Amino acid sequence: TQLLEQSPQFLSIQEGENLTVYCNSSSVFSSLQWYRQEPGEGPVLLVTVVTGGEVKKLKRLTFQFGDARKDSSLHITAAQPGDTGLYLCAGEGGANNLFFGTGTRLTVIP
Amino acid sequence: GAGVSQSPSNKVTEKGKDVELRCDPISGHTALYWYRQSLGQGLEFLIYFQGNSAPDKSGLPSDRFSAERTGGSVSTLTIQRTQQEDSAVYLCASSPGAVANTGELFFGEGSRLTVL
Repeated sequence: TQLLEQSPQFLSIQEGENLTVYCNSSSVFSSLQWYRQEPGEGPVLLVTVVTGGEVKKLKRLTFQFGDARKDSSLHITAAQPGDTGLYLCAGEGGANNLFFGTGTRLTVIP
Repeated sequence: GAGVSQSPSNKVTEKGKDVELRCDPISGHTALYWYRQSLGQGLEFLIYFQGNSAPDKSGLPSDRFSAERTGGSVSTLTIQRTQQEDSAVYLCASSPGAVANTGELFFGEGSRLTVL
């Protein structure tokens, strides 16, 4: 099992603030994904990054894959209450398996 | 159905009983995954089915856990002699093919298991 550590574990911020969530591993991944999960639902894919150093933007969300493909970050600009949820990174290991991180629970206060 | 369907949505059982959790993947999806999520934390990989290949069972925590996938579609996760530490949400996901090729997992809403 390849371990993906996310930090911080919990984050509570005011609406309009910026934040960054980190996903780190000692393993190299061929691709890395970010999912968001809301209470009572399954995770939903936000983005997939596949190239070391790659940066992808999705509206106010910016995702970066580390040069060595061992880590990733998610930056949210001007957070909104709708951004509240559990953010999970997931790395594709060998044999097409997908290993999930420990999660960051974000709360955006109106 | 349009999405991944799991049943039951909630299951309360007594310690020592066996439970079966069912997953109906999206039609045509060849890959099926089971994960366990405790207390809203990260997902723990349990087992992965891909087409007719032998499943990857490397995440099953003990021999009390087993899973099968019949006809390449519906999957059942069985937990025998349940223990209190088995209490969690069990999530099923399917994908059109191997993750390396298609990238996205589609999740069901999960089965919440409570062992008293």
